[in-house]
Amino acid sequence: ETGVTQTPRHLVMGMTNKKSLKCEQHLGHNAMYWYKQSAKKPLELMFVYNFKEQTENNSVPSRFSPECPNSSHLFLHLHTLQPEDSALYLCASSRVRTGGTLNTGELFFGEGSRLTVL
Amino acid sequence: DQQVKQNSPSLSVQEGRISILNCDYTNSMFDYFLWYKKYPAEGPTFLISISSIKDKNEDGRFTVFLNKSAKHLSLHIVPSQPGDSAVYFCAASGIIQGAQKLVFGQGTRLTINP
Repeated sequence: ETGVTQTPRHLVMGMTNKKSLKCEQHLGHNAMYWYKQSAKKPLELMFVYNFKEQTENNSVPSRFSPECPNSSHLFLHLHTLQPEDSALYLCASSRVRTGGTLNTGELFFGEGSRLTVL
Repeated sequence: DQQVKQNSPSLSVQEGRISILNCDYTNSMFDYFLWYKKYPAEGPTFLISISSIKDKNEDGRFTVFLNKSAKHLSLHIVPSQPGDSAVYFCAASGIIQGAQKLVFGQGTRLTINP
């Protein structure tokens, strides 16, 4: 139990579906992240939210839409995905120093949402 | 351009022996390095880290070594145990182009054989 909870753990969707991934952290952290893990590739950072403000979008296609309503919750809205978007999507959180500078970089990850796009 | 590389996708070690996982990085702006461990169907969990001002950090069976001149770090596990079988990710942290970055390697799958 890392204090970061992701739902659903598994999701199968068609290319025309709209679905959302949810992440919740109970650690009192103020930064949250979405990462994508594809087979045999490094973890790819998708989005970063510091103090509920999006501070990074790593050239992610618009079919992925993040939402951070508060510092404890993070969503990833999915629509018109492609089969190559099938991957493990990991949420993480951390404590950011005041001023927005990340501390040492230690992230606490959720267990991931395994997404399959048919 | 992959800034953090783990060139061995897999490693197999006998129980009780030493496991050595390697990681190379290219950007000298990284100032903090971390190792994460990942079991199947779970998210990565933080294992051990090292600041760039040090060359060694030890925590129980785990030791991380940093060679800044070679831009290389390694994780030593001794003695290796079957429960250490997992994927290990190296990560590097630093201020790159004015923003804090945490960059992961591809991971090395470690298998400890009884």
